[in-house]
Order: sequence, then C-alpha cells, then structure tokens
Amino acid sequence: AQSVSQHNHHVILSEAASLELGCNYSYGGTVNLFWYVQYPGQHLQLLLKYFSGDPLVKGIKGFEAEFIKSKFSFNLRKPSVQWSDTAEYFCAVSTYNQGGKLIFGQGTELSVKP
Amino acid sequence: EADIYQTPRYLVIGTGKKITLECSQTMGHDKMYWYQQDPGMELHLIHYSYGVNSTEKGDLSSESTVSRIRTEHFPLTLESARPSHTSQYLCASSSTGGFQPQHFGDGTRLSIL
Repeated sequence: AQSVSQHNHHVILSEAASLELGCNYSYGGTVNLFWYVQYPGQHLQLLLKYFSGDPLVKGIKGFEAEFIKSKFSFNLRKPSVQWSDTAEYFCAVSTYNQGGKLIFGQGTELSVKP
Repeated sequence: EADIYQTPRYLVIGTGKKITLECSQTMGHDKMYWYQQDPGMELHLIHYSYGVNSTEKGDLSSESTVSRIRTEHFPLTLESARPSHTSQYLCASSSTGGFQPQHFGDGTRLSIL
C-alpha cells in the first residue's frame, strides 16, 4: 500500500531561519503531490501542488517544493520563515490506482519564534 | 475563506447517542470526502463519494455511514456513539477532471463521554 512519510514531527525555528520539511512517498508509478497547511484554528489550505512539468513548484507565501523522482521525495522549503508561518504542514500524494484519493503524511508542526 | 461548511464545529455527547455531522459545499464539486484525524496523526480517509448516490468506504475502517442525496451535501452518521469515536472529522471536496486539489472544511471535533 502507498504511504507518505514526513520526517519531522515538530520543528522549531527562529524568524528568518531557512526551512526544509521532508516528505517521502512509497509508490513507483505516476503521482501527484501536494503540500497543505493548517494554521491554528483554521481549515486545511493548499500550499502548492505538483502534477507534471518543472519539478520545482512555487506556492503561496514564498514556499516552494522540489519533486525528486529518484528519491521519491517532495520536500518543502522556504528561505526565510516568519512568525506567521507557525502552522501544521501536511504532505499528500494521489496516485492513479487510488482513483485520485489523497494519502496524507502524519504532519509536521512548525513553530516559529519571533 | 472556505466554501465548504461543517457543523457542528465541536460536539461533546454521551455514549449511545446517534450523531450526524453535516458537510455542505457551494462549489458544485462532484467529489466529496470524509477524513478522520487524531491529534498529531495523519488524516485517514473513511468515506468518499464521486457523485449523487455514490458512496464508498475509505482506507480506514469506520463504523460511521454516509449518504449523498444532493451534490452539495455529504452528511456522516454514527448510529451509536462510543468513546473510541472521539476524534476530529474533516470533510473535503474536489472537482472532477484529473487530480484536482481538495478543499477542506474547518472540521468537527467530536468527544464521546
């Protein structure tokens, strides 16, 4: 069965630090990849997505992610975090043999100290 | 701002009660989903629907049931709530065609005493 693994459960950074959140998936076929963010007290929102083409995708609020097929990875990055980036981040994968359903990682809680 | 609405936002109720969690979306999406999420854990798909009168069980076994009589409405029902049902329930929807992103509601935090 397909699975998604996020390496860090809780990340604590100071403002202006660089961020990289790891995400690996297990599936050998074609995938679509997503990062969702959930700010405190809010619903899950799409941060960025990869369907095809340029493996470096840019999302909202200065986030980007790179799809590395050979490593089955889709890591999320931001060069300089802000206090307002404090949230929980979920990586998700959909595959053709799942009918487009999403498989989520366990989430990474990011705390940014001002 | 979300176009998918879940009520109630929080529910604390006793064992044995029948519960219905409401989910409605105004985007005309054909696909709708219910996820269950425990604190600090991943979301698990428990039900999904690809259109009216279409419902399927998800990857995580659940004692809940769903119905899809109208495109915009996808309620989830627990006939007899138990403490093991305590969790957060998230509803989502997406449009048809390729792998469209899912839009999520605010969730219902359910506590069964």
